[in-house]
Amino acid sequence: KAGVTQTPRYLIKTRGQQVTLSCSPISGHRSVSWYQQTPGQGLQFLFEYFSETQRNKGNFPGRFSGRQFSNSRSEMNVSTLELGDSALYLCASSSDPVGGTEAFFGQGTRLTVV
Amino acid sequence: GENVEQHPSTLSVQEGDSAVIKCTYSDSASNYFPWYKQELGKRPQLIIDIRSNVGEKKDQRIAVTLNKTAKHFSLHITETQPEDSAVYFCAAPYEGDDKIIFGKGTRLHILP
Repeated sequence: KAGVTQTPRYLIKTRGQQVTLSCSPISGHRSVSWYQQTPGQGLQFLFEYFSETQRNKGNFPGRFSGRQFSNSRSEMNVSTLELGDSALYLCASSSDPVGGTEAFFGQGTRLTVV
Repeated sequence: GENVEQHPSTLSVQEGDSAVIKCTYSDSASNYFPWYKQELGKRPQLIIDIRSNVGEKKDQRIAVTLNKTAKHFSLHITETQPEDSAVYFCAAPYEGDDKIIFGKGTRLHILP
């Protein structure tokens, strides 16, 4: 069974630009959740999508958005990039909502904003 | 507010000794408590989890205990080995089961 795949692995963007990250979950998983990982803050929950619906979100500004397609693949978009958005962005897939079962993480996309 | 406190942030133990990491959570409705291990440069992976209907769960050298009344749960690693060196994250759901909050992590160093 293929694992969770995130693309691209690395990105360098300049302030003010926007970026789209992609996550392909494990086949059959309907939940995709996204996290921002930084050295000082650990893993911070961005949002969860389940069957194409955003079910919950974390405390991030509206510049962070996402969507999920009918095949469960998910994209995350960050607009008007700021230097502080530099981080490792991880997605995870699970068979059920993420707060009740094991989450399988992708290898992450490392975003650097210059 | 939504918060999972994790302590300590760094822990160094002699190989063969035990390590204990503690977490507290705030949502009394939380009923699923996973622990993830992240080795350097790798993705987090689940090592053990516990549901609120049990107080303790063991899997070989690792165990998790849960005290729902006090809203505490802890990870115990016995007979530590060099490959246990990693960052460990606890987590708890918040506002139902479609949001999960992670602790800030514990960096565990196993000393030779």
